[in-house]
Amino acid sequence: AQTVTQSQPEMSVQEAETVTLSCTYDTSENNYYLFWYKQPPSRQMILVIRQEAYKQQNATENRFSVNFQKAAKSFSLKISDSQLGDTAMYFCAFMMVRAGGTSYGKLTFGQGTILTVHP
Amino acid sequence: DTGVSQDPRHKITKRGQNVTFRCDPISEHNRLYWYRQTLGQGPEFLTYFQNEAQLEKSRLLSDRFSAERPKGSFSTLEIQRTEQGDSAMYLCASSWEGVAYGYTFGSGTRLTVV
Repeated sequence: AQTVTQSQPEMSVQEAETVTLSCTYDTSENNYYLFWYKQPPSRQMILVIRQEAYKQQNATENRFSVNFQKAAKSFSLKISDSQLGDTAMYFCAFMMVRAGGTSYGKLTFGQGTILTVHP
Repeated sequence: DTGVSQDPRHKITKRGQNVTFRCDPISEHNRLYWYRQTLGQGPEFLTYFQNEAQLEKSRLLSDRFSAERPKGSFSTLEIQRTEQGDSAMYLCASSWEGVAYGYTFGSGTRLTVV
């Protein structure tokens, strides 16, 4: 079974600064995807960024980037130039993938990190 | 298509009553998922469908829980004889099987059992 651990229950950052959220996972699988999701207060969960395990290059989406360390099973999220709208709960998640790219379907989530951006 | 829709948004029920939630996925998506999220925690997988077929069920899905997706479109999740421990946010999501780009989530149904 896969497990995902987020060891930081809460983080805070000043607007325009950079913050890094940590995530570790445990799996014996070699083919998988990792995701960061954002859940603003009372709003739906949205995908922030994804990383394919077979890719060595770290994924980047505008102000969001990851540091994927496959051997260490670590997958941290860096948010640059933090904005007030980044205030949310952030979840790290894991999905197994079959050869050929189809997914097994199930996402395994971490416990979440509440990020507060202060003006 | 405006995304994944869930109805109702909130439900308050008395212990022992039955409740049913509905999820309408994105029309092009053939997979539909149900998750349960308790306050301050990450979502936990309950079950998922590919078209009409229920392909996986979590052991969290006790015999009081049943989910259906009769025509491969919308899905319902029913909880019979609700207990206080069932109080949670029930999230629905949909995706296409062919790519692992992550899901599109609905806004959830918040259940409170009193």
